[in-house]
Amino acid sequence: SQKIEQNSEALNIQEGKTATLTCNYTNYSPAYLQWYRQDPGRGPVFLLLIRENEKEKRKERLKVTFDTTLKQSLFHITASQPADSATYLCALESRAGNMLTFGGGTRLMVKP
Amino acid sequence: KAGVTQTPRYLIKTRGQQVTLSCSPISGHRSVSWYQQTPGQGLQFLFEYFSETQRNKGNFPGRFSGRQFSNSRSEMNVSTLELGDSALYLCASSLDGQGVYNEQFFGPGTRLTVL
Repeated sequence: SQKIEQNSEALNIQEGKTATLTCNYTNYSPAYLQWYRQDPGRGPVFLLLIRENEKEKRKERLKVTFDTTLKQSLFHITASQPADSATYLCALESRAGNMLTFGGGTRLMVKP
Repeated sequence: KAGVTQTPRYLIKTRGQQVTLSCSPISGHRSVSWYQQTPGQGLQFLFEYFSETQRNKGNFPGRFSGRQFSNSRSEMNVSTLELGDSALYLCASSLDGQGVYNEQFFGPGTRLTVL
């Protein structure tokens, strides 16, 4: 069955370091992969989208990589700040249809 | 531009009742999707509407239904509520719900509690 896995344990890092979050998937052929940020009690907010034929995408302090061979996406936040503390979700859109399937999310805590 | 709005924000119902939730998408967005979010199951796709037609459906029982109006506003309905339906229901809109235009803009959600 299709599965999207994100590290369910919280990731704790020190301010100024680079945070790296992982999204692994199985039995899936995503055409697009998206990353979202969610704060407690609020709806997710879109961050980045990457196509299957793109290796890397950047936006300010954010970088996403997409390896369809490893079936993995990495999400990096450089020079992390306490304000980056939130839950980060990856979402896949397959070629078969345009619905998004979300991973369980990883909670990031950036300590000052 | 106004964001996605959802009403009501909070709702308390009892088992067996039915509930209707409303969503107004961002102006110009034609695709509206509904998601259920619970601590145990995470964010799960319910269904997507585009031009008043249900285009995609997730793996939920028939008690969950929805519709979209000509102005793109959408409603979802849950009949015969069960305790397990307690969740945050999120609505999201996108330009046309496909590919690079599938960036989802989420509303604040409706917190449904079933007693």
